[in-house]
Amino acid sequence: AQKVTQAQTEISVVEKEDVTLDCVYETRDTTYYLFWYKQPPSGELVFLIRRNSFDEQNEISGRYSWNFQKSTSSFNFTITASQVVDSAVYFCALSDVDSGGGADGLTFGKGTHLIIQP
Amino acid sequence: NAGVTQTPKFRVLKTGQSMTLLCAQDMNHEYMYWYRQDPGMGLRLIHYSVGEGTTAKGEVPDGYNVSRLKKQNFLLGLESAAPSQTSVYFCASSYSGTSGGDTQYFGPGTRLTVL
Repeated sequence: AQKVTQAQTEISVVEKEDVTLDCVYETRDTTYYLFWYKQPPSGELVFLIRRNSFDEQNEISGRYSWNFQKSTSSFNFTITASQVVDSAVYFCALSDVDSGGGADGLTFGKGTHLIIQP
Repeated sequence: NAGVTQTPKFRVLKTGQSMTLLCAQDMNHEYMYWYRQDPGMGLRLIHYSVGEGTTAKGEVPDGYNVSRLKKQNFLLGLESAAPSQTSVYFCASSYSGTSGGDTQYFGPGTRLTVL
């Protein structure tokens, strides 16, 4: 069965510091997809990025970057020069061809609560 | 476009009461999902639908029923609410299946408390 582990329950940094959120996944499939979502204090879930298992290129979007390494089954998320508005819970999620014995949904990690202090 | 909307936003029930949560999407998505979010647990899939008139069980389906009579709507029902169903419920939709890599878009959530 697939699994997503976000070992960091909570991270607190001072504004302008760089911070990396770890995500480690398990799957038996060779074709799978990884996602990151942001949940700000208002509660909604905001899609950040999707990556398929065949694309190992790192991605950068403004202050956000993602490092996908199949060799270590990791899909880490880095925020450069963090800002108070980045404070949120961040979820890593996995979808594979054989999700949960036929269930066609996402498997989520438990989330990392990121606190950016001014 | 409103995207994915959920009704109601908050609800308090007594044990044994029933209720229905409504999810609506205006993106013409085929797939719709219901998740629950509990503290420290991430989101877990309750039920999902791959098209109008179809439903399927997810990871934690017990105590819930769903219906998809119209493509744009996905209803989640609790026939006899229990305190263990106190949670935040999220609806999501995607154009095609997530196993094919499509992105799910989420509604704002419904906070349900069962006393």
